Amino acid sequence: EAQVTQNPRYLITVTGKKLTVTCSQNMNHEYMSWYRQDPGLGLRQIYYSMNVEVTDKGDVPEGYKVSRKEKRNFPLILESPSPNQTSLYFCASGDRGLLNTEAFFGQGTRLTVV
Amino acid sequence: AQKVTQAQTEISVVEKEDVTLDCVYETRDTTYYLFWYKQPPSGELVFLIRRNSFDEQNEISGRYSWNFQKSTSSFNFTITASQVVDSAVYFCALSEEGNTGNQFYFGTGTSLTVIP
Repeated sequence: EAQVTQNPRYLITVTGKKLTVTCSQNMNHEYMSWYRQDPGLGLRQIYYSMNVEVTDKGDVPEGYKVSRKEKRNFPLILESPSPNQTSLYFCASGDRGLLNTEAFFGQGTRLTVV
Repeated sequence: AQKVTQAQTEISVVEKEDVTLDCVYETRDTTYYLFWYKQPPSGELVFLIRRNSFDEQNEISGRYSWNFQKSTSSFNFTITASQVVDSAVYFCALSEEGNTGNQFYFGTGTSLTVIP
C-alpha cells in the first residue's frame, strides 16, 4: 500500500530536549516536504527536498533541521524545541515537485512542547 | 500576500443543504495546479481533486463539484445534499510551475459543520 508514514503520532516533550520526527514514503517519490498546521494559519511549509541530499527552506524553517540521505526518508529535527513549536506536523511526498500530482500526506504528528 | 485565500473560516449547514466553499488564488504563472484537500476530525489530509490551469472545465464527482474560473482566479467547491460525514476542514492549495512546483501554498482552511 502506497503511504507516507510519520512517527510518532503524538509527542509531548520539554523545552530544549532534542527530538526527531521521522517520515518515510514507499512510493519512490523524489519530492518530500514538511508542514506545520496551526489554527487560522493553514499549512505552512517548513522545509522541502527535491531529491537525495537536496533540501531547501520553506516559509517557516527557523528552529528546524532536515536531512535527506535516502530517497524514502526525510526526518524533521528540532534541536532545541520551544513552546511556539507546539503544532500539528505533516510530512508529504510527491512526484516531480508536486507540479502535476497531488501530495501524499502522512497521518500527522501532534507535538506539544512544555 | 496570501496566495490562496479561503475567506470562510467556518460554515454550518443543516444536513441535505448544498454548500459552497470559496477559494481565491493569486499567481503570475501561466501553468499552475489547484487542489482541494479534506481534513476530517481524525486529522489526516485527504486528496479530493487536482485541476491544472489549462483545464477550466468544471468537474463533478458524486455530490462534489468544482467550479474553476480563471477570470476571477477562483476554484470553488460545492457539496450537494450535504451529509454529516462531510463535516471537516477543507483546504484549497496552489502549486506553481514558476517555482518548479516545489511549493504548495495552502489556504487557511474552511471548517464545515453539517448539522443532522
